Amino acid sequence: QSVMTQPPSVSGTPGQRVTISCSGSNSNIESNHVYWYQQLSRTAPKLLIYRSDQRPSGVPDRFSGSKSGTSASLTISGLRSEDEADYYCAAWDNTLAGSWVFGGGTKLTVL
Amino acid sequence: QVQLQESGPGLVKPSQTLSLTCTVSGASIYSGNYYWSWIRQPAGQGLEWIGYVYISGSTHYSPSFESRVTISLGTSNDHFSLNLYSVTAADTAVYYCARVVPDCSDGRCYGRYFDSWGQGTPVTVSS
Repeated sequence: QSVMTQPPSVSGTPGQRVTISCSGSNSNIESNHVYWYQQLSRTAPKLLIYRSDQRPSGVPDRFSGSKSGTSASLTISGLRSEDEADYYCAAWDNTLAGSWVFGGGTKLTVL
Repeated sequence: QVQLQESGPGLVKPSQTLSLTCTVSGASIYSGNYYWSWIRQPAGQGLEWIGYVYISGSTHYSPSFESRVTISLGTSNDHFSLNLYSVTAADTAVYYCARVVPDCSDGRCYGRYFDSWGQGTPVTVSS
């Protein structure tokens, strides 16, 4: 059972916009920034969004992130077949001595 | 550009110790304000943070593992290690090592994130 909750799967057709949600609590998302990772076909995860809404260089502007209260979301616009992957949200959790926590992951299928 | 590579036995018997090494190239593990971390992913499941070691040798572990894990720096400047004790079948997973970097800009810091990952190494716990 993950500390942060994501939908197990989402899907869309090429060109569509999809949004992946990440629901947490006041000890993680509300208190700290959220980071999003993309994992293609069981390869190592890659940073997609940092500081809740910032894109690293090289990440297309089709990817955007936002955060409000205890929830965060990743939006992919102009969906492409190569976006098919697993997506994870991550944040530091202030409970006890603190730890990194991940969402359970969302499988994006491009139909 | 830093690169990380995990290595170690792919099969460990129940109750024994899982030991993995992460070799870092392209940078010294003692350069920069970095943490060096381990994360695992059981088959068909999500990512789970295990812990990290700082360049000072100090460590911080997930509450889920702190009673049976040690992460340490290597004797040279290019590797760090994971020891997970008293393993069971539930510890079967792909294990990743990763570098954790500060997320800072214009003199203000916002957190940290995993910026570089190894390719992962599968470990099976079975007799």
